[in-house]
Amino acid sequence: QTVVTQESSVTVSPGGTVTLTCTSSTGTVTPSNLPNWFQQKPGQAPRPLIYRTNNKHSWTPARFSGSLLGGKAALTLSGVQPEDEADYYCLLYDNGYRVFGGGTRLTVL
Amino acid sequence: QVTLEESGPTLVKPTQTLTLTCGFSGFSLDTSGVAVTWIRQPPGKALEWLALVYGNDDKRYSPSLMSRLTITKDTSKNQVLLTMTNMDPVDTGTYFCAHVESSSVDYWGPGTHVVVSS
Repeated sequence: QTVVTQESSVTVSPGGTVTLTCTSSTGTVTPSNLPNWFQQKPGQAPRPLIYRTNNKHSWTPARFSGSLLGGKAALTLSGVQPEDEADYYCLLYDNGYRVFGGGTRLTVL
Repeated sequence: QVTLEESGPTLVKPTQTLTLTCGFSGFSLDTSGVAVTWIRQPPGKALEWLALVYGNDDKRYSPSLMSRLTITKDTSKNQVLLTMTNMDPVDTGTYFCAHVESSSVDYWGPGTHVVVSS
């Protein structure tokens, strides 16, 4: 089964920019992997941020953006806010099923 | 307005079968490209994708759990059921259902907590 890997933890300063990545064990992540990104805060259901690589939901703040970068799916936060401190998960489509990454704990410090 | 809500037992014994229900409103599972998916999260751990069903009854399962999972839909009741056999304490966690449209997992239920213990 495909394994999807994310950074376990990342720290960023308020106002800074950070990019989180999502790697597939099967190789290069492409648009056909339909990357989705989610934010999750303690005790809450995940909040969708990005779908199909770089599409934002109506509720997604403008500072969040998705892309493909160096064979990986990427989530970039520009002008990080304290409230962005959370866990971030990517979800990839692969051969009919879907796989979550292990999540990245983003600390804003 | 799309809403989903999970329901089911909060406590199951090891080896028992778990059946969870996802009740939804605000969309039709008969719409092309629309599906309902199940996801779980053990305490303090990552999300894990479990299964998905489309309106045409196309079903997909996690390869690692396929032998234990069954997903079914009841379009007339606006419900999707997930059955997981041979429950084990490692299956303890929060189980979510979510709406999928055009490959976007966009609306989630609040989740239901399941504890597996004798």
